[in-house]
Amino acid sequence: AQSVTQLGSHVSVSEGALVLLRCNYSSSVPPYLFWYVQYPNQGLQLLLKYTSAATLVKGINGFEAEFKKSETSFHLTKPSAHMSDAAEYFCAVSDPGGQNFVFGPGTRLSVLP
Amino acid sequence: NAGVMQNPRHLVRRRGQEARLRCSPMKGHSHVYWYRQLPEEGLKFMVYLQKENIIDESGMPKERFSAEFPKEGPSILRIQQVVRGDSAAYFCASSPPSDRVAYGYTFGSGTRLTVV
Repeated sequence: AQSVTQLGSHVSVSEGALVLLRCNYSSSVPPYLFWYVQYPNQGLQLLLKYTSAATLVKGINGFEAEFKKSETSFHLTKPSAHMSDAAEYFCAVSDPGGQNFVFGPGTRLSVLP
Repeated sequence: NAGVMQNPRHLVRRRGQEARLRCSPMKGHSHVYWYRQLPEEGLKFMVYLQKENIIDESGMPKERFSAEFPKEGPSILRIQQVVRGDSAAYFCASSPPSDRVAYGYTFGSGTRLTVV
């Protein structure tokens, strides 16, 4: 079975600073990994996904994530935070067969002026 | 190409009433998933449906909750005799029939249910 942990339920960064949101997963099979963003009172939007191709994945809005098998991690980064990045971010894992699609608890990102 | 449409956006029900949440998947998508998001918590899987078929309902509470995805029309999540603890945001996602996980689910904007 798959599971996801996200270290830090709330992260605050200054505008222009590096964004790092942590995601670690547990999976008994090679995982598919996803990051979703949720803006206030909206649904989830897919930021990026890893599906066993390149380990460094680039997504929308300048975000990227790197799959590190040895660390069982899929951390999300952005070089320079923008005020519009303030949102809730969810990491998710699935097995390649589509079973057990599991979300992490989420990390709320605040961007300070 | 419209995305996943959920309605209503907000729903208020008194304890004991029924709540019906509707989800129309994206065009061409035949797989529908329902998730519940409780305050300050992540999304919890509830049920996975294809047309006229429940594939996985392992996340559905055993009582009062049911879901369907008929041949025609939207998917419906039905909650009977609602209680305060049912207050949450309910999200629907859809995916195409092929390579659905690699595609990544497309989510609707959710229905926020408040039980008073």
